Amino acid sequence: DAGVTQSPTHLIKTRGQQVTLRCSPKSGHDTVSWYQQALGQGPQFIFQYYEEEERQRGNFPDRFSGHQFPNYSSELNVNALLLGDSALYLCASSGFRRGYNEQFFGPGTRLTVL
Amino acid sequence: AQSVTQPDIHITVSEGASLELRCNYSYGATPYLFWYVQSPGQGLQLLLKYFSGDTLVQGIKGFEAEFKRSQSSFNLRKPSVHWSDAAEYFCAVGLPSDYKLSFGAGTTVTVRA
Repeated sequence: DAGVTQSPTHLIKTRGQQVTLRCSPKSGHDTVSWYQQALGQGPQFIFQYYEEEERQRGNFPDRFSGHQFPNYSSELNVNALLLGDSALYLCASSGFRRGYNEQFFGPGTRLTVL
Repeated sequence: AQSVTQPDIHITVSEGASLELRCNYSYGATPYLFWYVQSPGQGLQLLLKYFSGDTLVQGIKGFEAEFKRSQSSFNLRKPSVHWSDAAEYFCAVGLPSDYKLSFGAGTTVTVRA
């Protein structure tokens, strides 16, 4: 049973550029959440996607957007990158059977903005 | 205000000794409670969870946690630590009416030989 997968593993961008991160949920899960983890901090909730719609959003600017596809995979897009966007971006999946709060995390994408 | 607090930033423990990590929360209702572990450069792995019922929950890798409503706490314990337990540990909270997890700042555990 494949767990949550994310790509790419690492990414280096410059200020002002745009980036797209990808996530495939665990088999049997239909919900994907994205978190940002800055160095030395706990993860912060960005948003959650369910049925191809953004269901809930954290305190992040509109530069952060997402998408969910019919196969439940998801993308996180960040526009106009800032130095402060450098972080580990974590994707988590969950499903109805075990409750949407029980989330399983992928290995993350390390984004560095220069 | 709702919050999750892990009072200990860093704990050093000898291999074979016991470990206890503290987590306190401030929410109006009893939330769902989780402990995750993160090894360097890795994602988060779920150790255990509490939704309701028995206040002592068992998890993977020999960890357990006890929910104490009167103290708004959910402390993680392990009787005998192994060198491989060196990692960052996060307490997280979710609400039945909500979908996100809110995390504490984490506790770094160092295991000395």
